Amino acid sequence: SQQGEEDPQALSIQEGENATMNCSYKTSINNLQWYRQNSGRGLVHLILIRSNEREKHSGRLRVTLDTSKKSSSLLITASRAADTASYFCATVLRGSARQLTFGSGTQLTVLP
Amino acid sequence: GAVVSQHPSWVICKSGTSVKIECRSLDFQATTMFWYRQFPKQSLMLMATSNEGSKATYEQGVEKDKFLINHASLTLSTLTVTSAHPEDSSFYICSARVSGGIQETQYFGPGTRLLVL
Repeated sequence: SQQGEEDPQALSIQEGENATMNCSYKTSINNLQWYRQNSGRGLVHLILIRSNEREKHSGRLRVTLDTSKKSSSLLITASRAADTASYFCATVLRGSARQLTFGSGTQLTVLP
Repeated sequence: GAVVSQHPSWVICKSGTSVKIECRSLDFQATTMFWYRQFPKQSLMLMATSNEGSKATYEQGVEKDKFLINHASLTLSTLTVTSAHPEDSSFYICSARVSGGIQETQYFGPGTRLLVL
């Protein structure tokens, strides 16, 4: 079953704008990860944030984690047309066999 | 970086035939590999966890006799869809986790698109 819900389901922005995607989950986690998927392709790991971390940066990506609200956000700054893809959050549940449970995904379209 | 390959990348078959999909970790050893299924415009759903040298662990609702998994070596896991039917048409993606250490990242293959006619 899916652990996470993401919103928005779809997001369309102009190149240069920032894109924010949110992910909510239901149970305690060990860590939360964000992945990107281009249409019809495999997934690319973007960033991992542990349950004891609140914010993490990687290039134009900024991820926050609020364990009290069981939510995370992914911010892509200065978006480019090449950022067009689906973005998924995935959680590793505390006490699990480190399996990933994926959210529903956000389809991001960056218009040139 | 770690690379995972899948073969074939796409397959079309007739209803009732069996299809084997291979997942290989190319430059690392993977004690554990995962198989996911993704329907159009949906998220990835974990089907099973494949452990080298032991039986796979299937998620609830996934028929182990229909989706046969073999993880015979530290770099290869195979998923066989037996007696495939049109409802099995989907995008199948594998991932591999680096053996040992505290590596928590899974590396994903490019996926295999299966179309059953």
